[in-house]
Amino acid sequence: EADIYQTPRYLVIGTGKKITLECSQTMGHDKMYWYQQDPGMELHLIHYSYGVNSTEKGDLSSESTVSRIRTEHFPLTLESARPSHTSQYLCASSNRGSNEKLFFGSGTQLSVL
Amino acid sequence: EDQVTQSPEALRLQEGESSSLNCSYTVSGLRGLFWYRQDPGKGPEFLFTLYSAGEEKEKERLKATLTKKESFLHITAPKPEDSATYLCAVPNSGYALNFGKGTSLLVTP
Repeated sequence: EADIYQTPRYLVIGTGKKITLECSQTMGHDKMYWYQQDPGMELHLIHYSYGVNSTEKGDLSSESTVSRIRTEHFPLTLESARPSHTSQYLCASSNRGSNEKLFFGSGTQLSVL
Repeated sequence: EDQVTQSPEALRLQEGESSSLNCSYTVSGLRGLFWYRQDPGKGPEFLFTLYSAGEEKEKERLKATLTKKESFLHITAPKPEDSATYLCAVPNSGYALNFGKGTSLLVTP
């Protein structure tokens, strides 16, 4: 059973608000990822981290930012939410040398009005 | 560019009616092909990793196979609880998994 947690599960917020999506894992995994998924579409990588103080942008351009100050914590922040940010955000982690087997959280469904 | 294409997009089966899902990939130097199951409103759940052509893995009613260009997920005598979206993914050149759009499977009683 994967121990990776995302909060909140659902978030409805107005345009222009700052939001932070939380992701924590208790498995001691070095690598962490944020994927974005729209209904019926594939998962797109928007951020990843190989360890503390390491963050990189993924394939899909995103206005969000991430930080990795502690191994277990990988929050995603949107400074000013817009309706185009409405999507499901999935956090994942994997161990070094695991050939990229990812463990996913349950996701945050974000709706920006 | 690494690509993963899944077919069909959607599949409806009667309980007990076996079928197969397809995942074709174009990637240089395959470092594994991954199958995940995703239920509505949840994150993907790992099923299998296949590394070399000819390899097969099984879990309950599911069996995954791999050739040099594609992978199949065979579902034998499915049950309604097998209804989900099945995702295929391959590691990209750098750092993470590239996912296909998935096959949405519905098994009716």
